[in-house]
Amino acid sequence: DAGVIQSPRHEVTEMGQEVTLRCKPISGHDYLFWYRQTMMRGLELLIYFNNNVPIDDSGMPEDRFSAKMPNASFSTLKIQPSEPRDSAVYFCASSFFHAGDYEQYFGPGTRLTVT
Amino acid sequence: QQQVKQSPQSLIVQKGGISIINCAYENTAFDYFPWYQQFPGKGPALLIAIRPDVSEKKEGRFTISFNKSAKQFSLHIMDSQPGDSATYFCAADSSGNTPLVFGKGTRLSVIA
Repeated sequence: DAGVIQSPRHEVTEMGQEVTLRCKPISGHDYLFWYRQTMMRGLELLIYFNNNVPIDDSGMPEDRFSAKMPNASFSTLKIQPSEPRDSAVYFCASSFFHAGDYEQYFGPGTRLTVT
Repeated sequence: QQQVKQSPQSLIVQKGGISIINCAYENTAFDYFPWYQQFPGKGPALLIAIRPDVSEKKEGRFTISFNKSAKQFSLHIMDSQPGDSATYFCAADSSGNTPLVFGKGTRLSVIA
């Protein structure tokens, strides 16, 4: 398997623009997570899905952020409108919970810069 | 109660030395304690994990020590190498019913 795939790897955009980050989880995994990583706040969980259904979005910072998972192999995280403080590395991770194992597999991340 | 507190924030160790990173938790329902390793430009990856039925788990140069009564666990890296330089995250979970709760991370630098 190719692992968790994220695109784009880097995104530079101007304040006010819409940004869409994409994620393809590992085939067969039933959980998908979106994280944001900054130096100040570390690794923050934004939202997670189980079997394509959003379970907890309490980490989504504002209504400007939205996430969807239309099917088991694709998810998006959208920021509209973007602001400079959204600049961070965004990670997607997936997992398959079985027999008590709960390893999360992270993608390579999308580095977002909002100017 | 959902927090995992990790220390130190950064650590510099001489090559060949022992690196020690500590984590503490409050939620007694946590029963799975992994450590993730992240290299620059990469996503975190599982390094080693432990469950509370054992007090220690060793994989190569990496050892997790777990103290259930103190609600603490730590990562020891023996014979630290420059290639171990990375950010390390501890985490905790309760039987997969909730997402992993991550510590803030420790940036380890191993210098020659």
